[in-house]
Amino acid sequence: GAVVSQHPSRVICKSGTSVKIECRSLDFQATTMFWYRQFPKQSLMLMATSNEGSKATYEQGVEKDKFLINHASLTLSTLTVTSAHPEDSSFYICSGVGEPGNTIYFGEGSWLTVV
Amino acid sequence: GDSVTQMEGPVTLSEEAFLTINCTYTATGYPSLFWYVQYPGEGLQLLLKATKADDKGSNKGFEATYRKETTSFHLEKGSVQVSDSAVYFCALSINNNDMRFGAGTRLTVKP
Repeated sequence: GAVVSQHPSRVICKSGTSVKIECRSLDFQATTMFWYRQFPKQSLMLMATSNEGSKATYEQGVEKDKFLINHASLTLSTLTVTSAHPEDSSFYICSGVGEPGNTIYFGEGSWLTVV
Repeated sequence: GDSVTQMEGPVTLSEEAFLTINCTYTATGYPSLFWYVQYPGEGLQLLLKATKADDKGSNKGFEATYRKETTSFHLEKGSVQVSDSAVYFCALSINNNDMRFGAGTRLTVKP
């Protein structure tokens, strides 16, 4: 069945550096992908909606220059956390909309730790 | 706006106890409703879903019924196991667009 694969599952980076997280839809094409962030013991919050071939739509309070989203193809969306700070440490998870019936499929998530 | 409110945890139960996690929603349209489960150190897994009023979603002994009259989608299981220990999220989606999640309820089942 349809699967969304996220990579890397865990990453540690130094403060001030950038890190890229990939979200791939396997066996289906995802015109739309969503990026969420989950801080410890909190719920998932939508960061942005990524549409293939166009600019992402960011939720209020999410810095688009800090969280760069690129949806260059129907099977790949990337989230780049630029100039990472320790407070960006979080669980990031993506989802893609695919068939059957426009079902939403979630990736496994990526744990980012900024030291 | 569209939102989900779910019972705050944590919830601690003994094995074989009955589980209910309450979830209510507010939506301007006709949402699909979901329960997701997140086991320690893992991502989200879809547990069950319902797409219209009076639908019942069920999986792994869990079930929830889409109640339009009470705008609720409570999660129930008749006999929990230690392996059910996880965080449970209620969520809604309008037209399969982005999800709106509840705050999550942490369940711990003790042997």
